[in-house]
Amino acid sequence: GENVEQHPSTLSVQEGDSAVIKCTYSDSAPNYFPWYKQELGKGPQLIIDIRSNVGEKKDQRIAVTLNKTAKHFSLHITETQPEDSAVYFCAASMGTGNQFYFGTGTSLTVIP
Amino acid sequence: DADVTQTPRNRITKTGKRIMLECSQTKGHDRMYWYRQDPGLGLRLIYYSFDVKDINKGEISDGYSVSRQAQAKFSLSLESAIPNQTALYFCATSDGARGVGELFFGEGSRLTVL
Repeated sequence: GENVEQHPSTLSVQEGDSAVIKCTYSDSAPNYFPWYKQELGKGPQLIIDIRSNVGEKKDQRIAVTLNKTAKHFSLHITETQPEDSAVYFCAASMGTGNQFYFGTGTSLTVIP
Repeated sequence: DADVTQTPRNRITKTGKRIMLECSQTKGHDRMYWYRQDPGLGLRLIYYSFDVKDINKGEISDGYSVSRQAQAKFSLSLESAIPNQTALYFCATSDGARGVGELFFGEGSRLTVL
C-alpha cells in the first residue's frame, strides 16, 4: 500500500509566525490529499484538501501545495494563533474512497 | 448531538475478554470505517463498509471483526482482546455519492487491555 511520511513530528512556533508541515508519498498515484486537524480529546476534522489536478489551494490562513513530480505535499498555516495548536495529519487516497493512507501526525504548538 | 457517535468512550478490560465498540451516525452516509490510532503511527484502517452488505478488510484487520447492522450502525469487535490492541479507535463516515472525499470522525473510543 501507499506509504505517507510526515515531518516534523513536533513543531513549536511563536504566535503570528508561519508553520509548514510536509508529507511525501511513495510509489502509487494517489489523487486526493486531505489534511486533518485533531484537537485534544476529539476526532480528526478536515481543514483543507487538494486533488491531483490542482497545484495549490488556499483557504484564509491555510494553504496546501502539491508537487506531483517530487511526490510531496505541504500544509502552510500563516499568522498562527494559539487555537491552531493541535495534531495535524496528512493523508493520501487513490480515489476509490476505500483506503486513506495517513501520515504519522505533527503536533503543533503555537506559543502566545 | 454528534453526527457520528461512538460508545463506549473509554473502556478498560482484561486480556481474553470480548469487546464491542459501537458506532452510529445521523449523517445518512453509506460508507463507514473503523480506524485505530497509536502514538507515532497515525491512523490505520481496520475495516470499512460501503453499504450494509459490503464489508472489507483494511490494512490491520487481524484480531478484529465488524458488523454493519444497518446503514447507520457499524460495530467493531475484539473477540479475545490482547494488550497490543490498547489504542484509540475511531469510527468515520463518508458520502459515497460524492466519490472520494471528506471523512467525518467520531470522538473516539479509548480501549485499554490489561
